[in-house]
Amino acid sequence: QVHLVQSGAEVKKPGASVKVSCKAPGYIFTTYHIHWVRQAPGQGLEWVGLIKPSGDTETDAQNFQGRVTITRDTSTSTVYMEMSSLRLEDTAVYYCARDPGYGGNLDYWGQGTLVTVSS
Amino acid sequence: DIVMTQSPDSLAVSLGERATINCKSSQSILYSSDNKKYLAWYQQKPGQPPKLLIYWASIRESGVPDRFSGSGSATDFTLTISSLQAEDVAVYYCQQYYRTPFSFGQGTKLEIK
Repeated sequence: QVHLVQSGAEVKKPGASVKVSCKAPGYIFTTYHIHWVRQAPGQGLEWVGLIKPSGDTETDAQNFQGRVTITRDTSTSTVYMEMSSLRLEDTAVYYCARDPGYGGNLDYWGQGTLVTVSS
Repeated sequence: DIVMTQSPDSLAVSLGERATINCKSSQSILYSSDNKKYLAWYQQKPGQPPKLLIYWASIRESGVPDRFSGSGSATDFTLTISSLQAEDVAVYYCQQYYRTPFSFGQGTKLEIK
């Protein structure tokens, strides 16, 4: 079992930024890709981006217009997903998940973090 | 970007009967160099994160009951539950991981008839 533990719920105003964390055993970040996926209330799953063991990242730049930054702190075994210029439609549960090395399927997921954007 | 389209959007099946969910990709997700289809299936129950069921289109994740199976070609895929159990009520998603941005189907809600 791999436990990915995410930070708690956040409430933000439009235009603000939010930073969600995902903590896991240290070897996870040096071995596997970690992805972020979000799910708006009552909606489907939407891929946000990933960070590789090298520290390189890929995001859905077109969909998020460069508003997403994924980073990691290896000293605390934590990955972060920061989204800026928040909009009402960014309200969603944000999940981190592990890619076991097969190219992008996701076998272990965090519990999810609800980000609410409200004026 | 690759668009994934599932059908139907919802499905009601009697206990013990077969359930079939379809997923179509807007382009081939068969990688010629390894002959693998970069397609996964997930099950999501209310209030829970998704659970990986199938990867490489047809490989069952460890611990997943063998009533779940996946198949497909380069663009058309199927998730089959051979004998529906009450605990299979959930929303099912396909996902392509052939190319970023990775993408999911819109989901299929499976209920008991």
